[in-house]
Amino acid sequence: KAGVTQTPRYLIKTRGQQVTLSCSPISGHRSVSWYQQTPGQGLQFLFEYFSETQRNKGNFPGRFSGRQFSNSRSEMNVSTLELGDSALYLCASSLTGEAGELFFGEGSRLTVL
Amino acid sequence: GEDVEQSLFLSVREGDSSVINCTYTDSSSTYLYWYKQEPGAGLQLLTYIFSNMDMKQDQRLTVLLNKKDKHLSLRIADTQTGDSAIYFCAETDPRGYSTLTFGKGTMLLVSP
Repeated sequence: KAGVTQTPRYLIKTRGQQVTLSCSPISGHRSVSWYQQTPGQGLQFLFEYFSETQRNKGNFPGRFSGRQFSNSRSEMNVSTLELGDSALYLCASSLTGEAGELFFGEGSRLTVL
Repeated sequence: GEDVEQSLFLSVREGDSSVINCTYTDSSSTYLYWYKQEPGAGLQLLTYIFSNMDMKQDQRLTVLLNKKDKHLSLRIADTQTGDSAIYFCAETDPRGYSTLTFGKGTMLLVSP
């Protein structure tokens, strides 16, 4: 059974650009959540999607957005990139998002120059 | 608000037991998790415990939960060099079960 797949694994952008990251959950999982990991702030929750609807949102500016498609795949977008957006972006999937196991992908490492 | 605290570093010798501790603040947390992160990798789910349990054992891993003190621990028996990694404790957030609040992580270094 394939795990959570995130693409791209690494990318470099410059300030002011935008970026789109993709996440394919484990087959059958309908909940996808996103986290940002930085050395200073640690792991912080961005948002969660279930059945194409955003169910929860963390304390991030509006430049951070996401969506989920009918096949449960999810994308997150960051517009007008800032140096501080450099981070490892992790996607997690669970069956329903209601209980228990939450599986993470390997992450997309974004560097903003 | 929620806050999860962990010690930053633990060093043990191969073959010893490791105990990683965590304290949390949200008394309504339903699930508590332990994740492992190796360099350059994502988070690997090690185990989780439901808040109405006191203990959970899974092969070399033992999780103890003291709900009164809001204290969670992960014991790794017969620690191996391959166990060297950062270990994160996390609790569910009242906003939803997929919304986790993580500690800063404990770096476990296992020496031969």
